[in-house]
Amino acid sequence: QQQVKQSPQSLIVQKGGISIINCAYENTAFDYFPWYQQFPGKGPALLIAIRPDVSEKKEGRFTISFNKSAKQFSLHIMDSQPGDSATYFCAARASGSARQLTFGSGTQLTVLP
Amino acid sequence: GAGVSQTPSNKVTEKGKYVELRCDPISGHTALYWYRQSLGQGPEFLIYFQGTGAADDSGLPNDRFFAVRPEGSVSTLKIQRTERGDSAVYLCASSAGTGAEAFFGQGTRLTVV
Repeated sequence: QQQVKQSPQSLIVQKGGISIINCAYENTAFDYFPWYQQFPGKGPALLIAIRPDVSEKKEGRFTISFNKSAKQFSLHIMDSQPGDSATYFCAARASGSARQLTFGSGTQLTVLP
Repeated sequence: GAGVSQTPSNKVTEKGKYVELRCDPISGHTALYWYRQSLGQGPEFLIYFQGTGAADDSGLPNDRFFAVRPEGSVSTLKIQRTERGDSAVYLCASSAGTGAEAFFGQGTRLTVV
């Protein structure tokens, strides 16, 4: 019930291409869906987040698409750059007193120059 | 400092020893979280503090793990009788309140030999 399932595990994209990472969840109490970017030796950093009252959110080259009925959300990185090479985690948080994040297993993105 | 600070960055300890990991949250942040990240996995929730009290410790794997935040700022994660399976990166995050964006530190890499 608390899991967030993320795919693919790894992704290789050419520079300028589109990177797409998908996540699915079961817990209908989740009401906040962030994506984090993590570089080696660093902590996760918030990239973009969405709430279930909208179906899409765009910030620069990064877009979240959200499908509430399917309980799925995805990250699209447009015009992917070698500097985007990192591990990406989707996450979800439920309403309630604790508000801890439940993370997916991560996607290692490599953008080839 | 401007961000969440964790010390030490790396800790190597022998099986059975006791360790303490420290987290300095962003000044003024009332919420503090500890997560554990195993190699190739997403962070997993351990414990959440709101102020000085542990509001949710449901993620602590067993009674060898304990955390404190006596003055509502710095937090220490304590692990007794360490086991090789405790080896992971321990991440701390803080936020201005429940529901606010969480900022992560760079983590402490714990290796139990």
